[in-house]
This record gives sequence, structure tokens and C-alpha cells, in this order.
Amino acid sequence: AQKVTQAQTEISVVEKEDVTLDCVYETRDTTYYLFWYKQPPSGELVFLIRRNSFDEQNEISGRYSWNFQKSTSSFNFTITASQVVDSAVYFCALSYYYGGATNKLIFGTGTLLAVQP
Amino acid sequence: NAGVTQTPKFQVLKTGQSMTLQCAQDMNHEYMSWYRQDPGMGLRLIHYSVGAGITDQGEVPNGYNVSRSTTEDFPLRLLSAAPSQTSVYFCASSPGRELNTEAFFGQGTRLTVV
Repeated sequence: AQKVTQAQTEISVVEKEDVTLDCVYETRDTTYYLFWYKQPPSGELVFLIRRNSFDEQNEISGRYSWNFQKSTSSFNFTITASQVVDSAVYFCALSYYYGGATNKLIFGTGTLLAVQP
Repeated sequence: NAGVTQTPKFQVLKTGQSMTLQCAQDMNHEYMSWYRQDPGMGLRLIHYSVGAGITDQGEVPNGYNVSRSTTEDFPLRLLSAAPSQTSVYFCASSPGRELNTEAFFGQGTRLTVV
């Protein structure tokens, strides 16, 4: 069965600290995609990044970086020098094929990040 | 520049009432889905549609109906509301069925059933 686990329910840091959000996934498929979404206090979900199962290169985008390791089934997200605007709920998600050609997107339970000034 | 539009944003229902949550997208996306978000549960898939006239069940479909008569609209019907359906509901759309397509989300509907 497919599953996404985000063990950290809440994290609180002080501005400028680095913080890593953990994501562990389960799937028997060899082809899949992993995503991170951000849900700020306003409520809408915003796409951050996707990574396919064959590409284990780390990705850096400004203060954000992602570390994908198939050996540990993890896709962790690091924010460097956190800012108050980073305060949000962050969701990790897995996209896989279901019933042939249709994809399903399942989410972890989310991690609430609070960045204190 | 509307994207995915959900109405209403807030709703209070009495147990046993029925209602329809509306979802419309203007991006000509093939794939649409409904999720519910509950504390500690993340987002769970209720129903999804891969195109007009085609719908299928997700993880938690009981108590909900959907239809997809047009590409743009994907309403979610609560047949007889129960307190367990108190939740935040998100509609999402994506361009296709490929694994790498990102989902675009509406702003959510906060539903309370009393």
C-alpha cells in the first residue's frame, strides 16, 4: 500500500534558524513522483516542488533545498535561514499510478512550522 | 486568472441536511478531485474525475456524491450531512493523468455540521 508519513506534527524555530521537515514514503512502484506543498495561514495549498523516482539529485531553490534518498524512502525539505513568512503547514505527497493509467495523489499528515521573530 | 474556484467558503449545516459544494476551474484541466482536510489526518481523497462523464471513488467516498457533466465543473454533494463530515474541503485540478502533473487547489470550503 502507498503511504506518506510526516512524523513531525509541529516544529517551532526562531527566525534565521535552519529547519528540516521529514517525509518518509512507502510504495512498491518503481515509477512515482514526490511533491511538497505549502499551506500558509490563508489556507490555499501552493505547489513547491516535484521529484521523480529516478532522479535522486538534490535540489536547491533559494533558501529551500530538498534531499531525496531512495535507500531510506525519504524526501526531506530544508529551509535555510528561516523567516516568519515560512510559517505554514507543509505537506509531502506521493503520486502513483492507480488502476492503470490514472494517477492518485496522496498526502502526509502535514508539519506545522512556526517561525518566531 | 481565476484558477480553481470553490463556493461557498464557509457553511454551517444541520445534521441530515443536504448541500452541494461547488468547484469550477478555468484552465481546461482534465483531472479534478476533492479532498477533505482534518486535524492530524492530512488531506484525504474523496472522489476524483479523469474527464467529463467519468468519476471514481477515493479513500473516503461514503456520504458523498460527485458528477462531472462538463470539463469545468466538479460539484461535491453531501446527501445527508453528519457531524463526522465537519471538515475543510479542497477541490483540485491538474492538466492530465501523468504522475508529474502538479495539482492546483481552490481556497477551500470550511463546513461545520451541527
